[in-house]
Amino acid sequence: GAVVSQHPSRVICKSGTSVKIECRSLDFQATTMFWYRQFPKQSLMLMATSNEGSKATYEQGVEKDKFLINHASLTLSTLTVTSAHPEDSSFYICSASDRTGAYEQYFGPGTRLTVT
Amino acid sequence: GESVGLHLPTLSVQEGDNSIINCAYSNSASDYFIWYKQESGKGPQFIIDIRSNMDKRQGQRVTVLLNKTVKHLSLQIAATQPGDSAVYFCAENGGSNYKLTFGKGTLLTVNP
Repeated sequence: GAVVSQHPSRVICKSGTSVKIECRSLDFQATTMFWYRQFPKQSLMLMATSNEGSKATYEQGVEKDKFLINHASLTLSTLTVTSAHPEDSSFYICSASDRTGAYEQYFGPGTRLTVT
Repeated sequence: GESVGLHLPTLSVQEGDNSIINCAYSNSASDYFIWYKQESGKGPQFIIDIRSNMDKRQGQRVTVLLNKTVKHLSLQIAATQPGDSAVYFCAENGGSNYKLTFGKGTLLTVNP
């Protein structure tokens, strides 16, 4: 149980284009979803937290107009990287929690974004 | 090893040995801690957690020790196997209800 999927697993896009990454909870309802970014040999950095049906809460330094997050249902959250640039190339990981205020987060397999 | 800049601390052990991975946390308000394992190109995988009202918790082949006095957390892996090779992260909740802050990570390499 508690499986989280991400799609796509890898994506290559050209500079200036937008890319959408999907995060799905397959066997539970995710009241809260989290988006992280991880650069090579570095730790996970939380980008934003989203609750179903409400606006995402972004961490300091994360541009909300560049990283659009939509949590339209209890099983799906999307992250759209708008006008991507090479410096946005990274490993994007989502996680989901099945209870509000719970500590347990179930992580997806990650999406490798490369912007050329 | 010590972490400097972008370099992950590394630990290299022989198969069958015990491994100890350390983590220093900074937020004294943290009352919940988790250890995650991350294999290359994959998302983090939960290993074990501990709350601040405990100083030790055991799982299958793993033990987590918490020293709140010096804000130190450790993960002990018994009889380390090649499949244990990965990057290990500690995470703390910073006293919040849901957000986690991840440590720098330690790369564990198990030599057969």
